[in-house]
Amino acid sequence: DADVTQTPRNRITKTGKRIMLECSQTKGHDRMYWYRQDPGLGLRLIYYSFDVKDINKGEISDGYSVSRQAQAKFSLSLESAIPNQTALYFCATSDPGLGAYNEQFFGPGTRLTVL
Amino acid sequence: AQKVTQAQTEISVVEKEDVTLDCVYETRDTTYYLFWYKQPPSGELVFLIRRNSFDEQNEISGRYSWNFQKSTSSFNFTITASQVVDSAVYFCALSERGRAGANNLFFGTGTRLTVIP
Repeated sequence: DADVTQTPRNRITKTGKRIMLECSQTKGHDRMYWYRQDPGLGLRLIYYSFDVKDINKGEISDGYSVSRQAQAKFSLSLESAIPNQTALYFCATSDPGLGAYNEQFFGPGTRLTVL
Repeated sequence: AQKVTQAQTEISVVEKEDVTLDCVYETRDTTYYLFWYKQPPSGELVFLIRRNSFDEQNEISGRYSWNFQKSTSSFNFTITASQVVDSAVYFCALSERGRAGANNLFFGTGTRLTVIP
Protein backbone atom coordinates (compact mmCIF):
# COMPACT_ATOMS: atom_id res chain seq x y z
CA ASP A 1 0.00 0.00 0.00
CA ALA A 2 1.12 3.54 -0.75
CA ASP A 3 2.54 5.52 2.17
CA VAL A 4 0.88 8.79 1.10
CA THR A 5 -2.56 8.61 -0.46
CA GLN A 6 -4.75 11.29 -1.93
CA THR A 7 -8.46 11.24 -2.63
CA PRO A 8 -9.96 11.83 -5.05
CA ARG A 9 -7.41 11.24 -7.79
CA ASN A 10 -9.44 13.18 -10.31
CA ARG A 11 -12.23 15.68 -9.79
CA ILE A 12 -14.23 17.91 -12.05
CA THR A 13 -16.30 20.59 -10.40
CA LYS A 14 -18.05 23.84 -11.24
CA THR A 15 -17.21 27.40 -10.37
CA GLY A 16 -18.44 28.35 -6.92
CA LYS A 17 -18.58 24.83 -5.52
CA ARG A 18 -16.86 23.87 -2.30
CA ILE A 19 -14.44 21.02 -2.66
CA MET A 20 -12.15 19.14 -0.31
CA LEU A 21 -9.05 17.19 -1.24
CA GLU A 22 -7.86 14.68 1.30
CA CYS A 23 -4.44 13.34 2.13
CA SER A 24 -3.59 10.44 4.40
CA GLN A 25 -0.21 9.02 5.33
CA THR A 26 1.01 5.93 7.08
CA LYS A 27 4.61 7.08 7.42
CA GLY A 28 4.13 8.51 10.90
CA HIS A 29 5.54 11.86 9.83
CA ASP A 30 4.63 15.03 11.70
CA ARG A 31 5.05 17.41 8.79
CA MET A 32 2.61 17.59 5.90
CA TYR A 33 2.37 19.88 2.89
CA TRP A 34 0.04 20.82 0.06
CA TYR A 35 1.41 21.92 -3.32
CA ARG A 36 -0.15 22.79 -6.62
CA GLN A 37 1.45 22.22 -9.99
CA ASP A 38 0.66 24.34 -13.00
CA PRO A 39 2.19 23.83 -16.44
CA GLY A 40 5.42 25.78 -16.74
CA LEU A 41 5.40 26.86 -13.08
CA GLY A 42 6.62 23.80 -11.23
CA LEU A 43 5.22 23.06 -7.78
CA ARG A 44 4.24 25.84 -5.43
CA LEU A 45 3.53 25.51 -1.73
CA ILE A 46 -0.03 26.26 -0.58
CA TYR A 47 0.02 25.31 3.13
CA TYR A 48 2.18 23.29 5.45
CA SER A 49 1.70 21.82 8.90
CA PHE A 50 4.39 20.87 11.40
CA ASP A 51 1.93 19.09 13.66
CA VAL A 52 -1.79 19.01 14.39
CA LYS A 53 -1.73 22.43 16.07
CA ASP A 54 0.75 24.15 13.79
CA ILE A 55 -0.49 25.22 10.37
CA ASN A 56 1.21 27.77 8.17
CA LYS A 57 0.53 29.55 4.92
CA GLY A 58 2.76 28.89 1.99
CA GLU A 59 3.50 30.88 -1.12
CA ILE A 60 -0.01 30.79 -2.61
CA SER A 61 -2.58 30.25 0.17
CA ASP A 62 -5.26 32.70 -1.03
CA GLY A 63 -8.47 30.90 -1.92
CA TYR A 64 -7.52 27.79 0.05
CA SER A 65 -7.91 26.54 3.61
CA VAL A 66 -6.62 23.43 5.34
CA SER A 67 -7.46 21.18 8.24
CA ARG A 68 -5.11 18.85 10.09
CA GLN A 69 -7.56 16.41 11.62
CA ALA A 70 -4.90 14.08 12.95
CA GLN A 71 -1.22 13.41 12.48
CA ALA A 72 -2.05 11.22 9.52
CA LYS A 73 -4.61 13.44 7.78
CA PHE A 74 -4.29 16.81 6.12
CA SER A 75 -7.16 18.18 4.02
CA LEU A 76 -7.18 21.02 1.54
CA SER A 77 -10.40 22.93 0.88
CA LEU A 78 -11.46 25.29 -1.85
CA GLU A 79 -14.39 27.19 -0.36
CA SER A 80 -15.57 28.55 -3.69
CA ALA A 81 -13.69 27.03 -6.58
CA ILE A 82 -12.67 29.16 -9.55
CA PRO A 83 -11.29 28.07 -12.93
CA ASN A 84 -7.75 29.26 -12.25
CA GLN A 85 -7.56 26.71 -9.44
CA THR A 86 -7.53 24.02 -12.08
CA ALA A 87 -4.25 22.24 -11.41
CA LEU A 88 -2.54 19.10 -10.19
CA TYR A 89 -2.40 19.05 -6.39
CA PHE A 90 0.19 17.15 -4.40
CA CYS A 91 0.32 16.27 -0.74
CA ALA A 92 3.68 15.53 0.83
CA THR A 93 5.10 14.49 4.20
CA SER A 94 8.46 14.76 5.90
CA ASP A 95 10.06 13.71 9.16
CA PRO A 96 12.11 16.33 11.03
CA GLY A 97 13.77 13.53 12.94
CA LEU A 98 15.65 12.67 9.80
CA GLY A 99 17.40 16.03 9.77
CA ALA A 100 16.51 19.65 9.29
CA TYR A 101 16.52 19.47 5.50
CA ASN A 102 14.98 16.17 4.74
CA GLU A 103 13.28 14.52 1.86
CA GLN A 104 9.60 15.05 1.26
CA PHE A 105 7.49 12.08 0.25
CA PHE A 106 4.79 12.86 -2.26
CA GLY A 107 1.35 11.43 -2.83
CA PRO A 108 0.19 10.45 -6.32
CA GLY A 109 -1.53 13.79 -6.95
CA THR A 110 -5.12 14.94 -7.47
CA ARG A 111 -6.05 16.39 -10.82
CA LEU A 112 -8.69 19.08 -10.27
CA THR A 113 -10.63 20.77 -13.04
CA VAL A 114 -12.88 23.72 -12.29
CA LEU A 115 -15.31 24.52 -15.08
CA ALA B 1 13.56 36.04 -7.41
CA GLN B 2 13.48 32.50 -8.68
CA LYS B 3 15.37 30.27 -6.30
CA VAL B 4 15.73 27.42 -8.75
CA THR B 5 16.15 27.97 -12.46
CA GLN B 6 15.82 25.28 -15.07
CA ALA B 7 16.43 27.18 -18.25
CA GLN B 8 15.71 24.26 -20.55
CA THR B 9 11.95 24.00 -20.94
CA GLU B 10 11.98 21.08 -23.34
CA ILE B 11 14.69 18.80 -24.67
CA SER B 12 14.43 16.08 -27.29
CA VAL B 13 17.12 13.49 -27.88
CA VAL B 14 17.37 10.33 -29.88
CA GLU B 15 17.56 7.12 -27.92
CA LYS B 16 21.06 6.22 -26.71
CA GLU B 17 22.24 9.81 -26.77
CA ASP B 18 23.51 11.41 -23.57
CA VAL B 19 21.61 14.40 -22.21
CA THR B 20 22.31 16.91 -19.45
CA LEU B 21 19.60 18.79 -17.62
CA ASP B 22 20.73 22.06 -16.08
CA CYS B 23 19.78 23.43 -12.68
CA VAL B 24 20.97 26.71 -11.17
CA TYR B 25 19.91 27.69 -7.68
CA GLU B 26 20.04 30.74 -5.46
CA THR B 27 20.24 30.78 -1.68
CA ARG B 28 21.84 32.74 1.14
CA ASP B 29 21.87 29.75 3.46
CA THR B 30 25.17 28.00 3.96
CA THR B 31 23.40 24.72 4.63
CA TYR B 32 20.84 23.49 2.15
CA TYR B 33 19.75 20.45 0.19
CA LEU B 34 19.23 19.99 -3.51
CA PHE B 35 16.96 17.41 -5.06
CA TRP B 36 16.00 15.99 -8.41
CA TYR B 37 12.55 14.50 -9.03
CA LYS B 38 11.18 12.74 -12.08
CA GLN B 39 7.56 13.11 -13.14
CA PRO B 40 6.61 10.49 -15.74
CA PRO B 41 3.48 10.88 -17.89
CA SER B 42 1.46 9.12 -15.18
CA GLY B 43 1.95 12.23 -13.01
CA GLU B 44 3.52 11.00 -9.79
CA LEU B 45 6.73 12.49 -8.47
CA VAL B 46 9.64 10.10 -8.20
CA PHE B 47 12.55 11.03 -5.94
CA LEU B 48 15.92 10.62 -7.67
CA ILE B 49 18.59 12.17 -5.48
CA ARG B 50 19.29 14.45 -2.52
CA ARG B 51 22.56 16.29 -2.06
CA ASN B 52 23.54 18.49 0.88
CA SER B 53 25.56 21.65 0.45
CA PHE B 54 28.63 20.22 2.15
CA ASP B 55 28.97 17.28 -0.19
CA GLU B 56 30.28 18.32 -3.56
CA GLN B 57 31.23 14.88 -4.72
CA ASN B 58 29.65 13.89 -7.98
CA GLU B 59 27.37 10.90 -7.82
CA ILE B 60 26.64 8.17 -10.30
CA SER B 61 23.74 5.76 -10.16
CA GLY B 62 23.53 3.51 -13.16
CA ARG B 63 22.92 5.70 -16.19
CA TYR B 64 22.29 8.74 -14.01
CA SER B 65 24.95 11.12 -12.74
CA TRP B 66 24.88 14.43 -10.95
CA ASN B 67 27.41 17.27 -10.99
CA PHE B 68 27.18 19.63 -8.01
CA GLN B 69 29.29 22.80 -8.22
CA LYS B 70 28.87 25.35 -5.44
CA SER B 71 31.12 27.82 -7.24
CA THR B 72 28.53 28.16 -9.99
CA SER B 73 25.46 27.28 -7.87
CA SER B 74 24.64 24.48 -10.23
CA PHE B 75 23.39 20.93 -9.78
CA ASN B 76 23.22 19.36 -13.21
CA PHE B 77 21.81 15.96 -14.05
CA THR B 78 23.11 13.76 -16.86
CA ILE B 79 21.44 10.70 -18.33
CA THR B 80 23.80 8.48 -20.27
CA ALA B 81 22.55 6.33 -23.14
CA SER B 82 19.03 7.67 -22.84
CA GLN B 83 16.04 5.35 -23.18
CA VAL B 84 12.42 5.97 -24.09
CA VAL B 85 11.45 5.29 -20.47
CA ASP B 86 13.46 8.34 -19.47
CA SER B 87 10.86 10.54 -21.14
CA ALA B 88 9.40 12.65 -18.34
CA VAL B 89 9.45 16.06 -16.74
CA TYR B 90 12.41 16.49 -14.41
CA PHE B 91 12.34 18.91 -11.51
CA CYS B 92 15.24 20.33 -9.57
CA ALA B 93 14.42 21.57 -6.05
CA LEU B 94 16.09 23.43 -3.20
CA SER B 95 15.40 23.06 0.50
CA GLU B 96 16.51 25.85 2.82
CA ARG B 97 15.57 26.91 6.32
CA GLY B 98 13.34 29.82 5.45
CA ARG B 99 11.94 32.45 7.79
CA ALA B 100 10.03 30.09 10.06
CA GLY B 101 12.45 27.22 10.10
CA ALA B 102 10.45 25.33 7.55
CA ASN B 103 12.30 23.00 5.26
CA ASN B 104 10.09 23.81 2.34
CA LEU B 105 11.05 22.75 -1.10
CA PHE B 106 11.42 25.35 -3.84
CA PHE B 107 10.94 23.78 -7.25
CA GLY B 108 12.24 24.80 -10.61
CA THR B 109 9.78 24.96 -13.48
CA GLY B 110 10.90 21.61 -14.82
CA THR B 111 12.48 20.31 -18.01
CA ARG B 112 10.43 18.08 -20.26
CA LEU B 113 12.66 15.40 -21.75
CA THR B 114 11.48 13.45 -24.77
CA VAL B 115 13.54 10.48 -25.89
CA ILE B 116 12.79 9.54 -29.47
CA PRO B 117 13.14 5.87 -30.38
